[in-house]
Amino acid sequence: DVKVTQSSRYLVKRTGEKVFLECVQDMDHENMFWYRQDPGLGLRLIYFSYDVKMKEKGDIPEGYSVSREKKERFSLILESASTNQTSMYLCASLGSAMGGASTDTQYFGPGTRLTVL
Amino acid sequence: QKEVEQNSGPLSVPEGAIASLNCTYSDRGSQSFFWYRQYSGKSPELIMFIYSNGDKEDGRFTAQLNKASQYVSLLIRDSQPSDSATYLCAVKSNSGYALNFGKGTSLLVTP
Repeated sequence: DVKVTQSSRYLVKRTGEKVFLECVQDMDHENMFWYRQDPGLGLRLIYFSYDVKMKEKGDIPEGYSVSREKKERFSLILESASTNQTSMYLCASLGSAMGGASTDTQYFGPGTRLTVL
Repeated sequence: QKEVEQNSGPLSVPEGAIASLNCTYSDRGSQSFFWYRQYSGKSPELIMFIYSNGDKEDGRFTAQLNKASQYVSLLIRDSQPSDSATYLCAVKSNSGYALNFGKGTSLLVTP
């Protein structure tokens, strides 16, 4: 089974702090993603990475950066946290769908609920 | 902008009935279609995927795809209270790696 883990389930930070959210997958997947999910807005893509040290902006990259130094680990960084970054953050890894030939299924980690005060 | 549209619901069905969840998409180049289930406070969990026109069945779940109409649906037979969740439709085009998600339909199965 694909396993995607995230460093924290719940996190409380203060405005202006630098925040690191970590994601690790154990299936040797090349592609990893960071989303945030807010009521009424659905899942929105922040950044994704298709290889080590490679990254691309998603739909809402402002205020975020990412780091992918090792294949299994993809980090999301909030350089200076703000209250509008209070959200559920979801990491996903892309791999084969249920043992089939497709390699375009995303598997999600458990999520980190971040509150910025 | 590649849109994926779902009715937000809530869709309420009695236990044992068939729940029908619908999704439309705007990108004609879309090739892969996914249904995720998300319980409150939890992360999305993949339940079905479909690539070809027609129906695909897996247990109580049937996914239906009509590329000409740009429409994908999920049927849940013999609905159970444990099926109460938000169902997310996701679509992937030939280009790129990311999925486009709908905002989800909330399903409530009443005993």
